[in-house]
Amino acid sequence: GAVVSQHPSRVICKSGTSVKIECRSLDFQATTMFWYRQFPKKSLMLMATSNEGSKATYEQGVEKDKFLINHASLTLSTLTVTSAHPEDSSFYICSAREGGRGSYEQYFGPGTRLTVT
Amino acid sequence: LAKTTQPISMDSYEGQEVNITCSHNNIATNDYITWYQQFPSQGPRFIIQGYKTKVTNEVASLFIPADRKSSTLSLPRVSLSDTAVYYCLVGDMDSNYQLIWGAGTKLIIKP
Repeated sequence: GAVVSQHPSRVICKSGTSVKIECRSLDFQATTMFWYRQFPKKSLMLMATSNEGSKATYEQGVEKDKFLINHASLTLSTLTVTSAHPEDSSFYICSAREGGRGSYEQYFGPGTRLTVT
Repeated sequence: LAKTTQPISMDSYEGQEVNITCSHNNIATNDYITWYQQFPSQGPRFIIQGYKTKVTNEVASLFIPADRKSSTLSLPRVSLSDTAVYYCLVGDMDSNYQLIWGAGTKLIIKP
């Protein structure tokens, strides 16, 4: 089945530093990838949608200069949290969607727990 | 704004059948209905997807009435490991299929 991996699974960083999270589709080509964040006991909140080779589309209220998304290949998207602050601490989850009409199922990664101290 | 409404929580017992109903009164013609399961600190896991009538796979069944304004996820003979949050989502398969996540239903299975 389709597998999406994320790296790292957990990261602790100091306030003011930047952190990069990778999302990979292991056995399929993902034309579209989605990035979510989830606070404890809350639902997933869509941050941005990225299509391979083009700029990401950010949801309202999500700072694109703070959360840099790159989808440079059909199997890799990265989310970089720049100048991280404690309020950026959260669970970040990516999902990937295979290309082509009818391929509407999203496959989710295991998530990355970010803690900013 | 979430397009679905689900009960916040449900309890059941091992071996029972559990039905979780979701309301989506404003579902659009192109929207599919998808259910995901999420355990703490893990990414959501796809359970089942349907457009109308009934869909069944190895883990669940999905019942969708003719008006498609609601759907019911049915989990047969649940076990303790089915304790999780279950999300019902609707999305347009012809678009980027952005999913709007509601609060989900926290299902607790007791021994």
